[in-house]
Amino acid sequence: DAKTTQPPSMDCAEGRAANLPCNHSTISGNEYVYWYRQIHSQGPQYIIHGLKNNETNEMASLIITEDRKSSTLILPHATLRDTAVYYCIALEYGNKLVFGAGTILRVKS
Amino acid sequence: NAGVTQTPKFRVLKTGQSMTLLCAQDMNHEYMYWYRQDPGMGLRLIHYSVGEGTTAKGEVPDGYNVSRLKKQNFLLGLESAAPSQTSVYFCASSPGLAGGLRNEQYFGPGTRLTVT
Repeated sequence: DAKTTQPPSMDCAEGRAANLPCNHSTISGNEYVYWYRQIHSQGPQYIIHGLKNNETNEMASLIITEDRKSSTLILPHATLRDTAVYYCIALEYGNKLVFGAGTILRVKS
Repeated sequence: NAGVTQTPKFRVLKTGQSMTLLCAQDMNHEYMYWYRQDPGMGLRLIHYSVGEGTTAKGEVPDGYNVSRLKKQNFLLGLESAAPSQTSVYFCASSPGLAGGLRNEQYFGPGTRLTVT
């Protein structure tokens, strides 16, 4: 599965959009991009995933570049409860998740 | 739906003691997983199961055993606990791959284990 690179931390003002980048320049055509988050002391939570097209659900939007070498997770109106570690994972459908260091997102009032 | 539950929530063991962690899911998921998370680190897969009666090793299986006798339960055993096994243990389940179901995992709240 492709290696992903994320910034170690980011800050975001409450109510503003949080844009979390992820680089996956070696991603193959069969690999999906998954996003999970882990709020302090809790189990990780699935957010969204995509292959080629942009995706949106009730939690977030996922924008994947046309060449698929990078993606951005967008939380449209961040709240204090969105403070968490966000993990970007690239893997083939059915393969096992591997969690890296992720991005610590701090939402500030 | 309770989702994924884990028992116990906390446990302190002495070196050499044994224990079993129980994971239960009520979503009729095919796949189940056990992870450990050490302070400041990402999750590492210990063992997983793709169906009742089957188990497989993950990234860090040594010192652990698992069983999946019932589809809804996945047990993680420590036969002789060591201080290096002090960690937070998370269980997860996912629908599996049949029928185009998405490989999204649902996690339990975790078990905090300290081995002294």
